[in-house]
Amino acid sequence: EVQLLESGGALVQPGGSLRLSCAASGFIFSNSAMSWVRQAPGKGLEWVSTITYSGSGTYYADSVKGRFTISRDNSKNTLYLQMNSLRAEDTAGYYCAQSRVESSGWYYFDSWGQGTLVTVSS
Amino acid sequence: DIQMTQSPSSLSASVGDRVTITCRASQSINAWLVWYQQKPGKAPKLLISKASRLESGVPSRFSGSGFGTEFTLTISSLQPDDFATYYCQQYSRYSTFGQGTKLDIK
Repeated sequence: EVQLLESGGALVQPGGSLRLSCAASGFIFSNSAMSWVRQAPGKGLEWVSTITYSGSGTYYADSVKGRFTISRDNSKNTLYLQMNSLRAEDTAGYYCAQSRVESSGWYYFDSWGQGTLVTVSS
Repeated sequence: DIQMTQSPSSLSASVGDRVTITCRASQSINAWLVWYQQKPGKAPKLLISKASRLESGVPSRFSGSGFGTEFTLTISSLQPDDFATYYCQQYSRYSTFGQGTKLDIK
């Protein structure tokens, strides 16, 4: 059974930084692309970032490009999201998701963690 | 950017009803569309990929159709467990979600 466990969410001041982690189990992590998707309180879903299985390719939504960095450690079965220059509008639950790719070349989200809450406020 | 528009935004229905949710793309996405179900306080669950491919374990009362810019999710006979919010997502170029359709009990 696929298990994804996010951690690292916290209350942080505007302009601050935070690193989220996602511990994966139940599948071959090093064979799978992974993504972060967020959901502001009471709002819809927003794709944030995706990393290929090897880590050689990384992709970002325009809203976080230049501020967030996705990475992975395949030896630890762990996905990360480094979040810098945080803004109030980054307040959301952040989900990690095992990602599937088809011939379109892009990804959708197969299995999801339960999420970790990031609150950006002074 | 490809925009996804779902309709309706909310829907009230009864157990046993047939329900259809529509998702429209701002440009053609072929069949690169998925549907998710999300219940309050829970992570989304993948229901359908490639517009009409039912995921393993998803009840057959769920079905998807469409190609190009217009897609539908149909629940043939609503069950109590189906009351939730449904999202579409395109994966033709990057990833964009619809705004969601909240399905509640009439």
